[in-house]
Amino acid sequence: DGGITQSPKYLFRKEGQNVTLSCEQNLNHDAMYWYRQDPGQGLRLIYYSQIVNDFQKGDIAEGYSVSREKKESFPLTVTSAQKNPTAFYLCASRPGPTTYQETQYFGPGTRLLVL
Amino acid sequence: QKEVEQDPGPLSVPEGAIVSLNCTYSNSAFQYFMWYRQYSRKGPELLMYTYSSGNKEDGRFTAQVDKSSKYISLFIRDSQPSDSATYLCAMSIYGNEKLTFGTGTRLTIIP
Repeated sequence: DGGITQSPKYLFRKEGQNVTLSCEQNLNHDAMYWYRQDPGQGLRLIYYSQIVNDFQKGDIAEGYSVSREKKESFPLTVTSAQKNPTAFYLCASRPGPTTYQETQYFGPGTRLLVL
Repeated sequence: QKEVEQDPGPLSVPEGAIVSLNCTYSNSAFQYFMWYRQYSRKGPELLMYTYSSGNKEDGRFTAQVDKSSKYISLFIRDSQPSDSATYLCAMSIYGNEKLTFGTGTRLTIIP
């Protein structure tokens, strides 16, 4: 089955701890994205990557870091500098820039809670 | 002012009714318009995708774009309890990697 997988489904973070959220896709998509969803605020873009070994900050990148070492993987680290990390995190992917399709496809999400 | 405005609801309608969901936007450069459906605690799934102005129909769903008014709509005919979800509008500028989302409208279809 082609799709986007995110793990874990639930993640608990202690104060001062860095945690990493996994995102994998087997759609052969070039671009990948991380969003944060909070009640009443919609989806806000954290980071995105158009190709391997390259990524750009989104609207709320502070306190987060990413890597893109493989086309199919785009992990997100929530660092201790992110003071309000409790949220639903969504990973998405999109066919590469050689297509004209702007649509993004989403994974099932990871809910991060602070202990 | 947000670039994309969407009434958060909640919106409750009886089963079988026609549902109208709407978004307005301020950036006239937007050319691609999408509607996503999101069930509770799940990732959004793409429902409709349209380019520029006009209508697009897919089964019980119709997406409408009016670029002159900067207004997009999603109509759901013969609504079913399984349509109960949050509906997100999203839009983008051609060649721009970023989607801009509305805040979502929570819809409940009452059996």
